[in-house]
Amino acid sequence: KQEVTQIPAALSVPEGENLVLNCSFTDSAIYNLQWFRQDPGKGLTSLLLIQSSQREQTSGRLNASLDKSSGRSTLYIAASQPGDSATYLCAVESGGSYIPTFGRGTSLIVHP
Amino acid sequence: DTGVSQNPRHKITKRGQNVTFRCDPISEHNRLYWYRQTLGQGPEFLTYFQNEAQLEKSRLLSDRFSAERPKGSFSTLEIQRTEQGDSAMYLCASSLRSQGGTEAFFGQGTRLTVV
Repeated sequence: KQEVTQIPAALSVPEGENLVLNCSFTDSAIYNLQWFRQDPGKGLTSLLLIQSSQREQTSGRLNASLDKSSGRSTLYIAASQPGDSATYLCAVESGGSYIPTFGRGTSLIVHP
Repeated sequence: DTGVSQNPRHKITKRGQNVTFRCDPISEHNRLYWYRQTLGQGPEFLTYFQNEAQLEKSRLLSDRFSAERPKGSFSTLEIQRTEQGDSAMYLCASSLRSQGGTEAFFGQGTRLTVV
């Protein structure tokens, strides 16, 4: 059974800092890994999708990497802004099931 | 198409009542997922459909929970005889099945409060 862990659970940083969020998974036989953002009381917004054959994806100030062999992904946020404050979730779609399995998320606060 | 739509956005019900939620996926998407999320937790998988076929339902939380997707279009999630522990956010997502998997898109969720 796939298990997904996200570290840290919470993070508070001053505006302008570069930061890294971590996601680890137990079964490396994955189809893809997806990073989401969730604002309080809202649904999930897709940020980046990394296919199993890819090493990284970039969108604006966001960069996500994937190392299947070690069961890890990182989300790098450059030059953080207060508007980046949200919970960031990663989900792994495992081989055979096509069911995205989520971690508990990292709650990020960027203060001015 | 404006994305995945869920209705209602909020539902308050008395314990013991039945509730039904609706999800309209992105029109060309053949996979539809239901998740439940409680405060401080990640989304917990409940069930999913490929077209009209329900391919996994063993993780529905109890036999009070059921889901349908008639004709492979919209889906409904019903909870019978609601309990206070059912209070949560219910999320729906859709995707287009292909080799290697594809991006999942979520709706805004239905917040259920059982009083």
